[in-house]
Amino acid sequence: DTEVTQTPKHLVMGMTNKKSLKCEQHMGHRAMYWYKQKAKKPPELMFVYSYEKLSINESVPSRFSPECPNSSLLNLHLHALQPEDSALYLCASSQDRGPLYGYTFGSGTRLTVV
Amino acid sequence: DAKTTQPNSMESNEEEPVHLPCNHSTISGTDYIHWYRQLPSQGPEYVIHGLTSNVNNRMASLAIAEDRKSSTLILHRATLRDAAVYYCILSSGSRLTFGEGTQLTVNP
Repeated sequence: DTEVTQTPKHLVMGMTNKKSLKCEQHMGHRAMYWYKQKAKKPPELMFVYSYEKLSINESVPSRFSPECPNSSLLNLHLHALQPEDSALYLCASSQDRGPLYGYTFGSGTRLTVV
Repeated sequence: DAKTTQPNSMESNEEEPVHLPCNHSTISGTDYIHWYRQLPSQGPEYVIHGLTSNVNNRMASLAIAEDRKSSTLILHRATLRDAAVYYCILSSGSRLTFGEGTQLTVNP
């Protein structure tokens, strides 16, 4: 298995809803990442997990809450989002942290906040 | 991480080689050069990466200048499926920071 699987592919949520995005990989990768991508813009890093521990938080608002229950799973819990949070949310993984390793990205969850 | 400069867009013809340039004049000794591409409605896809020596894989070749201040991604024979945004990224730490990239158009 050489893929990163993200679910759901599309999500529409209201500003008072709570929802979660899920990311799964079975490549034995020990680093996992969340990126956010607005239309026509490059991906922006949100969080980095290494060996199931949060190692980087790029000053992301607390309405986004990441969780890494085990080495194969990464969740992003969403609460009280704003319409400007509508974007493509991408998950990625790599064998380990550091520039020696390439990243494998999922296809993303397209989120619309109404 | 140091910054890269890429052309906003490039065009090529199908079945011809494509050379995508990237300038990184402030590269440090520990920076790896990564290339990713992103097809419409998909996540980025790893293409190739290297440190000092030229690199080849099944997708592409990476040519790195001797002073490491520039690099070129070479697609040996472009196909319509190679039309994408190509990102050149320098990384020495735990993050990949994407720039604006080059939009490659492949003409039939």
